Amino acid sequence: QSALTQPPSASGSPGQSVTISCTGTSSDIGGYNYVSWYQHLPGKAPKLIIYEVHKRPSGVPNRFSGSKSGNTASLTVSGLQAEDEGDYSCLSYAGSNNLVFGGGTKLTVL
Amino acid sequence: QVQLQESGPGLVKPSETLSLTCTVSGGSISGYYWGWIRQPPGKGLEWIGYIYYSGSTNYNPSLKSRVTLSVDTSKNHFSLRLSSVTAADTAMYYCARQPAYCNNDCYPSVKFDSWGQGALVTVSS
Repeated sequence: QSALTQPPSASGSPGQSVTISCTGTSSDIGGYNYVSWYQHLPGKAPKLIIYEVHKRPSGVPNRFSGSKSGNTASLTVSGLQAEDEGDYSCLSYAGSNNLVFGGGTKLTVL
Repeated sequence: QVQLQESGPGLVKPSETLSLTCTVSGGSISGYYWGWIRQPPGKGLEWIGYIYYSGSTNYNPSLKSRVTLSVDTSKNHFSLRLSSVTAADTAMYYCARQPAYCNNDCYPSVKFDSWGQGALVTVSS
Protein backbone atom coordinates (compact mmCIF):
# COMPACT_ATOMS: atom_id res chain seq x y z
CA GLN A 1 0.00 0.00 0.00
CA SER A 2 1.23 3.49 -0.86
CA ALA A 3 1.06 6.47 1.46
CA LEU A 4 -1.91 8.76 1.01
CA THR A 5 -1.12 12.04 -0.74
CA GLN A 6 -1.25 15.29 1.20
CA PRO A 7 0.08 18.70 0.18
CA PRO A 8 3.38 19.35 1.96
CA SER A 9 2.23 22.71 3.20
CA ALA A 10 -0.83 24.90 3.74
CA SER A 11 -1.24 28.35 5.21
CA GLY A 12 -3.79 30.94 6.22
CA SER A 13 -4.15 34.10 8.24
CA PRO A 14 -5.78 34.18 11.67
CA GLY A 15 -9.53 33.94 11.37
CA GLN A 16 -9.43 32.43 7.90
CA SER A 17 -10.31 28.89 6.88
CA VAL A 18 -7.92 26.39 5.36
CA THR A 19 -8.61 22.98 3.88
CA ILE A 20 -6.08 20.14 3.74
CA SER A 21 -6.68 17.30 1.29
CA CYS A 22 -5.76 13.66 1.60
CA THR A 23 -5.98 11.64 -1.60
CA GLY A 24 -5.97 7.89 -1.83
CA THR A 25 -7.63 5.25 -3.97
CA SER A 26 -10.78 3.18 -4.06
CA SER A 27 -8.89 0.59 -2.00
CA ASP A 28 -8.53 2.88 0.96
CA ILE A 29 -10.25 6.26 1.34
CA GLY A 30 -12.76 5.64 -1.43
CA GLY A 31 -13.72 2.22 -0.16
CA TYR A 32 -14.43 2.91 3.49
CA ASN A 33 -15.68 5.65 5.79
CA TYR A 34 -12.73 5.15 8.10
CA VAL A 35 -10.55 8.22 7.84
CA SER A 36 -9.03 9.94 10.85
CA TRP A 37 -6.94 13.07 11.19
CA TYR A 38 -4.15 13.91 13.63
CA GLN A 39 -2.69 17.19 14.78
CA HIS A 40 0.97 17.11 15.68
CA LEU A 41 2.18 20.24 17.41
CA PRO A 42 5.89 20.83 18.04
CA GLY A 43 7.13 18.95 21.08
CA LYS A 44 3.82 17.21 21.71
CA ALA A 45 2.34 13.81 21.01
CA PRO A 46 0.02 13.56 17.99
CA LYS A 47 -3.62 14.21 18.83
CA LEU A 48 -6.73 12.71 17.26
CA ILE A 49 -8.97 15.49 15.93
CA ILE A 50 -11.30 13.73 13.48
CA TYR A 51 -12.35 10.08 13.11
CA GLU A 52 -14.71 8.19 10.80
CA VAL A 53 -14.39 11.00 8.25
CA HIS A 54 -16.25 13.71 10.15
CA LYS A 55 -16.65 12.84 13.83
CA ARG A 56 -14.92 14.94 16.48
CA PRO A 57 -13.66 13.47 19.77
CA SER A 58 -14.84 15.16 22.91
CA GLY A 59 -12.90 18.36 23.55
CA VAL A 60 -11.92 19.05 19.94
CA PRO A 61 -13.23 22.47 18.86
CA ASN A 62 -15.89 22.52 16.16
CA ARG A 63 -13.52 24.70 14.14
CA PHE A 64 -12.13 21.38 12.95
CA SER A 65 -14.28 19.48 10.46
CA GLY A 66 -13.80 16.56 8.12
CA SER A 67 -15.38 15.38 4.91
CA LYS A 68 -14.85 12.95 2.06
CA SER A 69 -15.63 12.87 -1.63
CA GLY A 70 -14.65 9.88 -3.68
CA ASN A 71 -11.02 8.99 -3.01
CA THR A 72 -10.23 12.29 -1.28
CA ALA A 73 -10.74 13.21 2.35
CA SER A 74 -10.46 16.77 3.60
CA LEU A 75 -9.82 18.51 6.88
CA THR A 76 -11.03 22.08 7.23
CA VAL A 77 -9.81 24.36 10.00
CA SER A 78 -12.06 27.40 10.37
CA GLY A 79 -11.27 30.53 12.32
CA LEU A 80 -7.54 29.82 12.23
CA GLN A 81 -5.67 30.49 15.43
CA ALA A 82 -1.96 30.76 16.05
CA GLU A 83 -2.03 27.59 18.17
CA ASP A 84 -3.26 25.60 15.16
CA GLU A 85 0.18 25.81 13.58
CA GLY A 86 1.70 22.37 13.24
CA ASP A 87 1.58 19.18 11.21
CA TYR A 88 -1.62 17.40 10.20
CA SER A 89 -1.79 13.80 9.02
CA CYS A 90 -4.61 11.64 7.69
CA LEU A 91 -5.05 7.91 8.27
CA SER A 92 -7.27 5.52 6.36
CA TYR A 93 -8.32 1.91 6.52
CA ALA A 94 -6.81 0.12 3.54
CA GLY A 95 -8.54 -3.24 3.67
CA SER A 96 -7.37 -6.56 5.11
CA ASN A 97 -6.94 -4.95 8.54
CA ASN A 98 -4.25 -2.64 7.18
CA LEU A 99 -3.88 1.09 7.77
CA VAL A 100 -2.13 3.79 5.75
CA PHE A 101 -1.12 7.32 6.70
CA GLY A 102 -0.75 10.39 4.57
CA GLY A 103 2.60 12.12 4.16
CA GLY A 104 1.59 14.99 6.44
CA THR A 105 0.90 18.68 5.86
CA LYS A 106 2.61 21.53 7.64
CA LEU A 107 0.06 24.21 8.47
CA THR A 108 1.42 27.72 8.90
CA VAL A 109 -0.64 30.51 10.44
CA LEU A 110 0.59 33.70 8.80
CA GLN B 1 -6.69 9.77 31.72
CA VAL B 2 -4.62 7.04 30.14
CA GLN B 3 -0.96 7.79 29.52
CA LEU B 4 1.50 5.91 27.34
CA GLN B 5 5.28 5.98 27.63
CA GLU B 6 7.76 4.43 25.23
CA SER B 7 11.08 3.13 26.53
CA GLY B 8 14.09 1.39 25.07
CA PRO B 9 17.56 1.96 23.61
CA GLY B 10 17.99 5.11 21.59
CA LEU B 11 20.82 3.66 19.53
CA VAL B 12 20.80 0.33 17.70
CA LYS B 13 23.50 -1.10 15.46
CA PRO B 14 22.72 -2.10 11.87
CA SER B 15 21.52 -5.71 11.48
CA GLU B 16 20.54 -5.88 15.15
CA THR B 17 17.06 -5.88 16.67
CA LEU B 18 15.25 -2.75 17.83
CA SER B 19 13.21 -3.30 21.00
CA LEU B 20 10.78 -0.85 22.54
CA THR B 21 8.20 -1.15 25.30
CA CYS B 22 5.13 0.99 25.82
CA THR B 23 3.89 1.21 29.39
CA VAL B 24 0.25 2.13 29.90
CA SER B 25 -0.75 4.01 33.04
CA GLY B 26 -4.05 5.45 34.21
CA GLY B 27 -6.03 2.70 32.55
CA SER B 28 -6.07 -0.99 31.74
CA ILE B 29 -4.49 -2.51 28.69
CA SER B 30 -7.42 -4.93 28.52
CA GLY B 31 -10.20 -4.33 26.04
CA TYR B 32 -8.15 -2.28 23.59
CA TYR B 33 -5.96 -2.63 20.57
CA TRP B 34 -2.50 -1.07 20.86
CA GLY B 35 -0.50 0.24 17.95
CA TRP B 36 2.97 1.29 16.92
CA ILE B 37 3.62 4.11 14.48
CA ARG B 38 6.93 5.61 13.40
CA GLN B 39 8.09 8.81 11.75
CA PRO B 40 11.49 8.95 10.03
CA PRO B 41 13.19 12.35 10.12
CA GLY B 42 11.54 14.72 7.67
CA LYS B 43 8.97 12.16 6.58
CA GLY B 44 5.37 11.25 7.33
CA LEU B 45 3.90 8.82 9.80
CA GLU B 46 4.05 5.10 9.01
CA TRP B 47 1.80 2.50 10.60
CA ILE B 48 3.83 -0.46 11.91
CA GLY B 49 1.14 -2.69 13.36
CA TYR B 50 -1.24 -3.32 16.23
CA ILE B 51 -1.91 -5.92 18.89
CA TYR B 52 -5.08 -6.75 20.76
CA TYR B 53 -4.82 -7.23 24.53
CA SER B 54 -5.54 -10.90 23.90
CA GLY B 55 -2.41 -11.15 21.74
CA SER B 56 -3.78 -11.15 18.20
CA THR B 57 -1.72 -9.02 15.86
CA ASN B 58 -1.70 -7.36 12.46
CA TYR B 59 1.33 -5.87 10.75
CA ASN B 60 2.11 -3.49 7.93
CA PRO B 61 2.82 -5.79 4.97
CA SER B 62 6.01 -3.86 4.18
CA LEU B 63 7.43 -4.62 7.65
CA LYS B 64 5.72 -7.90 8.44
CA SER B 65 8.77 -10.11 7.97
CA ARG B 66 10.75 -8.14 10.57
CA VAL B 67 8.15 -7.06 13.16
CA THR B 68 6.94 -8.82 16.27
CA LEU B 69 4.48 -7.27 18.71
CA SER B 70 3.75 -8.72 22.12
CA VAL B 71 1.65 -7.78 25.13
CA ASP B 72 1.98 -8.40 28.87
CA THR B 73 -1.32 -7.65 30.59
CA SER B 74 0.14 -8.34 34.04
CA LYS B 75 2.61 -5.49 33.55
CA ASN B 76 0.18 -3.34 31.55
CA HIS B 77 2.63 -2.94 28.74
CA PHE B 78 3.18 -4.02 25.16
CA SER B 79 6.33 -4.28 23.09
CA LEU B 80 7.79 -3.90 19.62
CA ARG B 81 10.69 -5.85 18.15
CA LEU B 82 12.04 -4.95 14.71
CA SER B 83 14.80 -7.19 13.43
CA SER B 84 17.63 -6.67 10.94
CA VAL B 85 17.47 -2.90 11.20
CA THR B 86 19.14 -0.51 8.78
CA ALA B 87 19.57 3.25 8.70
CA ALA B 88 16.14 3.45 7.07
CA ASP B 89 14.63 2.36 10.39
CA THR B 90 15.91 5.47 12.13
CA ALA B 91 12.76 7.22 13.32
CA MET B 92 10.65 8.52 16.16
CA TYR B 93 8.61 5.54 17.34
CA TYR B 94 5.20 6.15 18.89
CA CYS B 95 2.86 3.81 20.69
CA ALA B 96 -0.86 4.55 20.72
CA ARG B 97 -4.22 3.19 21.84
CA GLN B 98 -6.85 1.98 19.37
CA PRO B 99 -10.35 1.50 20.76
CA ALA B 100 -12.09 -1.70 19.76
CA TYR B 101 -15.50 -2.01 18.12
CA CYS B 102 -17.21 -5.13 19.41
CA ASN B 103 -20.37 -6.80 18.19
CA ASN B 104 -20.24 -10.55 17.82
CA ASP B 105 -16.50 -10.11 17.35
CA CYS B 106 -14.09 -7.27 18.04
CA TYR B 107 -12.33 -5.12 15.47
CA PRO B 108 -9.87 -2.26 15.80
CA SER B 109 -11.21 1.19 15.14
CA VAL B 110 -9.30 3.38 12.70
CA LYS B 111 -8.40 5.92 15.29
CA PHE B 112 -5.49 6.26 17.67
CA ASP B 113 -7.01 8.21 20.55
CA SER B 114 -4.06 8.38 22.95
CA TRP B 115 -0.39 8.56 22.03
CA GLY B 116 2.93 8.36 23.79
CA GLN B 117 5.46 11.17 23.49
CA GLY B 118 7.62 9.07 21.22
CA ALA B 119 11.06 7.49 21.41
CA LEU B 120 13.80 8.44 18.99
CA VAL B 121 15.72 5.42 17.75
CA THR B 122 18.83 5.87 15.66
CA VAL B 123 20.36 3.01 13.72
CA SER B 124 24.08 3.53 13.45
CA SER B 125 27.31 1.68 14.06
